[in-house]
Amino acid sequence: DTAVSQTPKYLVTQMGNDKSIKCEQNLGHDTMYWYKQDSKKFLKIMFSYNNKELIINETVPNRFSPKSPDKAHLNLHINSLELGDSAVYFCASSQEGVAPTDTQYFGPGTRLTVL
Amino acid sequence: GDSVTQMEGPVTLSEEAFLTINCTYTATGYPSLFWYVQYPGEGLQLLLKATKADDKGSNKGFEATYRKETTSFHLEKGSVQVSDSAVYFCALSESGGYQKVTFGTGTKLQVIP
Repeated sequence: DTAVSQTPKYLVTQMGNDKSIKCEQNLGHDTMYWYKQDSKKFLKIMFSYNNKELIINETVPNRFSPKSPDKAHLNLHINSLELGDSAVYFCASSQEGVAPTDTQYFGPGTRLTVL
Repeated sequence: GDSVTQMEGPVTLSEEAFLTINCTYTATGYPSLFWYVQYPGEGLQLLLKATKADDKGSNKGFEATYRKETTSFHLEKGSVQVSDSAVYFCALSESGGYQKVTFGTGTKLQVIP
């Protein structure tokens, strides 16, 4: 019973392609997140959705477009992939996403490699 | 803005050694503080947290105390095991508005038998 799942686990693609990563949580949480982890393990928030509404949108190129069809799903679409997009992308969720005390639950990550 | 500073790794210890991973933070308000752990090939998972000054979080033999006066949240364990080998992230979350977690750069711990 995976709490936060992501697909695919690995994604290898050519520069210029468009790709999507899917995320689903079965915890009943209201808020979901996308993080990018670079090769040095630095973890940075990209987006956050609360009940399908975008609430955090960090300085991310507009080639990245999140979509939340319902509060259990948050997908990430990336257009015109670049070499610098190679990273591990983590989806996460939290109960409400309002209280600073909320624990974040992470998916297993998607390793994106752009050639 | 908020920031979290962790000691650089990697940290290599022998089994049963004492572990300390230092973490200090900068925040404008009264944040909640967390330690997350990432095992190889996995996502992050919460190890422990503390939500106010002088609180001690503990889990699986790990401990950390929220020290407001020194803005620190150092992680300690009295006797590490090989299975503790992982990357440890210190993080904070401010109050007010929607939750946004700021992570440190992570400290890799390798425990050798």
